[in-house]
Amino acid sequence: QKEVEQDPGPLSVPEGAIVSLNCTYSNSAFQYFMWYRQYSRKGPELLMYTYSSGNKEDGRFTAQVDKSSKYISLFIRDSQPSDSATYLCAMGPGNMLTFGGGTRLMVKP
Amino acid sequence: DAGITQSPRHKVTETGTPVTLRCHQTENHRYMYWYRQDPGHGLRLIHYSYGVKDTDKGEVSDGYSVSRSKTEDFLLTLESATSSQTSVYFCAISESPGANYGYTFGSGTRLTVV
Repeated sequence: QKEVEQDPGPLSVPEGAIVSLNCTYSNSAFQYFMWYRQYSRKGPELLMYTYSSGNKEDGRFTAQVDKSSKYISLFIRDSQPSDSATYLCAMGPGNMLTFGGGTRLMVKP
Repeated sequence: DAGITQSPRHKVTETGTPVTLRCHQTENHRYMYWYRQDPGHGLRLIHYSYGVKDTDKGEVSDGYSVSRSKTEDFLLTLESATSSQTSVYFCAISESPGANYGYTFGSGTRLTVV
């Protein structure tokens, strides 16, 4: 079993929908949680960063961490076609990140 | 990707030949990483560096070596390329390991071994 599990999708939604992306993990030592966005044929770019449990909001994006359930989520409100990309979760104890396999999101106009 | 460049962007090579990929940064970050990305496997760490001449192995280091003689350059060498090393290779940099800053990734090198 992988340390970080992420549904590969693809997830297809209409423009304006609320999107929920999720990862589960098994290593209780993970304390730093991140979400990266990767457009086709590009490198991943850091989207959200959260330390330990709780929520963090940045514009249309909200990251949630539930350490008791070993579950993290990324919510995208009012989704746009420009949000179409692969979203990777990443997490670590501090000195190294472990990545999920990524969820491909398609937002249709 | 500001501050980090990978070269070449694309390469086709023959089985058994050595191949070197280059990562160059202008951010003066201490930490540099090489990942490979494959369908179904996500990003997997090959090697990383925590300073000049200081490197260590990652999850999938067999068949790869690295060198870092200057802060700004991190080289990945496939000693004798195999078809299983066909992949997209990403370099990443970090000011501190993992926490607080995350990683900044390059645009990737698409390597095909025939």
